[in-house]
Amino acid sequence: QKEVEQNSGPLSVPEGAIASLNCTYSDRGSQSFFWYRQYSGKSPELIMFIYSNGDKEDGRFTAQLNKASQYVSLLIRDSQPSDSATYLCAVRGSNYKLTFGKGTLLTVNP
Amino acid sequence: DVKVTQSSRYLVKRTGEKVFLECVQDMDHENMFWYRQDPGLGLRLIYFSYDVKMKEKGDIPEGYSVSREKKERFSLILESASTNQTSMYLCATHGTNYGYTFGSGTRLTVV
Repeated sequence: QKEVEQNSGPLSVPEGAIASLNCTYSDRGSQSFFWYRQYSGKSPELIMFIYSNGDKEDGRFTAQLNKASQYVSLLIRDSQPSDSATYLCAVRGSNYKLTFGKGTLLTVNP
Repeated sequence: DVKVTQSSRYLVKRTGEKVFLECVQDMDHENMFWYRQDPGLGLRLIYFSYDVKMKEKGDIPEGYSVSREKKERFSLILESASTNQTSMYLCATHGTNYGYTFGSGTRLTVV
C-alpha cells in the first residue's frame, strides 16, 4: 500500500512568516510530486509540482524534493491570511494515479 | 485551462435511492477519476477510467459503479444510497504534467 504522510496540523504562523509543510512517501519508485491547496468547502487546486531533486521556486512558494530521503516539502514565504487553507501533498508512481496525504491545515494570523 | 464540471453542487437523497453523479471535462483527456473526501480520511479513490468504456476499481469501490460512454463524461453511480455514503465527491482529470484538475465537487447527503 503506497502511503503519503503529512505533518500533523494544524499549523499556525503569523503574517509575514515562513510556513513549512512536510510530506514523506513510501513508494521509492514515485516520480512526480504535487502540492494542492484546498480552501474550506472548495475543491483542491494545484499550486506546485516537482520532479527532480532540489528546489523549485514559484513566487512565494518553494517546493523541495529529496528522493533519497523520500521527502518533499513546501515553503510559503511572506505568508498571508489568504494562504490559510489545507495543503495536500500528492505523489505519482509509475502510472497516472495520484496518492494523496490527508492534508495539513495552515492558519496565517494577521 | 482544463475545465471539469460536476452537475450538482449539493444533493440530498434518500436511503435506497439510485444516485447519479455526473462529471464532464472539456480537454479530451483519457484519464478521469472519482474520489470521495471525508474529514480525517482524506481523498480516497473510488474508480477511475483510462478510456471510453474502460474502468478500474480504486481503493473503495464497494457500493459504487461507474459509466463512461463518451470520452468527456464520467458518471459515478450509487446503486442503493446509504447514509455512510454521505460525503464530498470530487471528479478529476489529468491536467498539465500529470497533475489532476478537479471539479468543484458534489456534497451528497443521504438521509
